[in-house]
Amino acid sequence: QVQLRESGPGLVKPSETLSLTCTVSGGSVSTNYWSWIRQPPGKDLEWIGYIHYRGGANYSPSLKSRVTISVDTSKNQFFLRLRSVTAADTARYYCAREVFGYFDSWGQGALVTVSS
Amino acid sequence: EIVMTQSPATLSVSPGEGVTLSCRASQSVSTNLAWYQHQPGQAPRLLIYGASTRATGIPARFSGSGSGTEFTLTISSLQSEDFAVYYCQQYDIWYTFGQGTKLEIK
Repeated sequence: QVQLRESGPGLVKPSETLSLTCTVSGGSVSTNYWSWIRQPPGKDLEWIGYIHYRGGANYSPSLKSRVTISVDTSKNQFFLRLRSVTAADTARYYCAREVFGYFDSWGQGALVTVSS
Repeated sequence: EIVMTQSPATLSVSPGEGVTLSCRASQSVSTNLAWYQHQPGQAPRLLIYGASTRATGIPARFSGSGSGTEFTLTISSLQSEDFAVYYCQQYDIWYTFGQGTKLEIK
């Protein structure tokens, strides 16, 4: 059974870059698509983007200008970088495995607060 | 963007009862619809995909139906572990989620 775990700083200053790592166990990042999804406090879940080790990445149009998702197959990890953050980027960030459009495995999420 | 609207926002139900949750899409998503269960502090759990197919290991008391713009998730005979927040998600055009329905103990 595949398991995912998010890690990274819980506090980021405004205008800086949010960086998170998703470590995958029980499965390989060299298969499927791997996504980042976030949920700001009291708001809806929002898909950020996905990566496929062979097919590249795709991002939500609303975040495309600030997001980069990458993968390291040797470490079985994938990564999120979100530039120029503001308080609106405060959220719990989830990594998830996508299968034909739905997400069959998720991490528990990492809370990231943007504050000076 | 396809907007997903769930109703009601909160549902108070007694254990053992059945319940039906609704999800509406702003345009047709065919059967490209999934349901998730989310307990606080835990990873969201896939329940249903393809509008009506139960994911691996999901009990038969969970069932999904619908197509186009109207979808339902039915839970028969609620167990204590079923009290959680439920989300629908469309994957017809990109991916968008509903705002969730919180199932609470009456």
